[in-house]
Amino acid sequence: AQSVTQLDSQVPVFEEAPVELRCNYSSSVSVYLFWYVQYPNQGLQLLLKYLSGSTLVESINGFEAEFNKSQTSFHLRKPSVHISDTAEYFCAVSRRNRDDKIIFGKGTRLHILP
Amino acid sequence: NAGVMQNPRHLVRRRGQEARLRCSPMKGHSHVYWYRQLPEEGLKFMVYLQKENIIDESGMPKERFSAEFPKEGPSILRIQQVVRGDSAAYFCASSRGDTARSYGYTFGSGTRLTVV
Repeated sequence: AQSVTQLDSQVPVFEEAPVELRCNYSSSVSVYLFWYVQYPNQGLQLLLKYLSGSTLVESINGFEAEFNKSQTSFHLRKPSVHISDTAEYFCAVSRRNRDDKIIFGKGTRLHILP
Repeated sequence: NAGVMQNPRHLVRRRGQEARLRCSPMKGHSHVYWYRQLPEEGLKFMVYLQKENIIDESGMPKERFSAEFPKEGPSILRIQQVVRGDSAAYFCASSRGDTARSYGYTFGSGTRLTVV
């Protein structure tokens, strides 16, 4: 079975500073990887995904994540955060080639400090 | 084009009552997934349904919980004889099925159940 580990439950960072949210996964088969964002009192929104091809994927609001197969990681980064990035971020995985459920990590709460 | 619609947004039930949570998937989506979110625990998969079929219910508690997705109408997550531990946010997601693994899901805004 797949699993996702998000190593940090909360990450405080000053506005305009860089941030990295860590994610590791385990799976016996090839996977797809996702990052979702949840703003307060809202549902989850897909931020970016890795399916195949280039291991570096980007979102429209400046986030990027890199798939590292050898380290089974999919860390999320942003070079300069904004107050509007305050949210909870979830890393998720699903098995390839199967119409399968997506498994989520426990989430990382990003606090932007003024 | 409305997204995934969940209602009610907030639901308060006394211990022992029944809770019914509804989810209308996006137009054209025939696959529905229910997740439960507890503080500090992230989203836990509960059940995956297609029209009139339960595909994977490996995350559903063995008792008091049931789900359906009828041919017509929304998907329903039903919790009988609620207890305080059922208090959580319940999220529904939908997909077109074979694209779920490629495109992720579309989530609703959730139903926040409070058991008093």
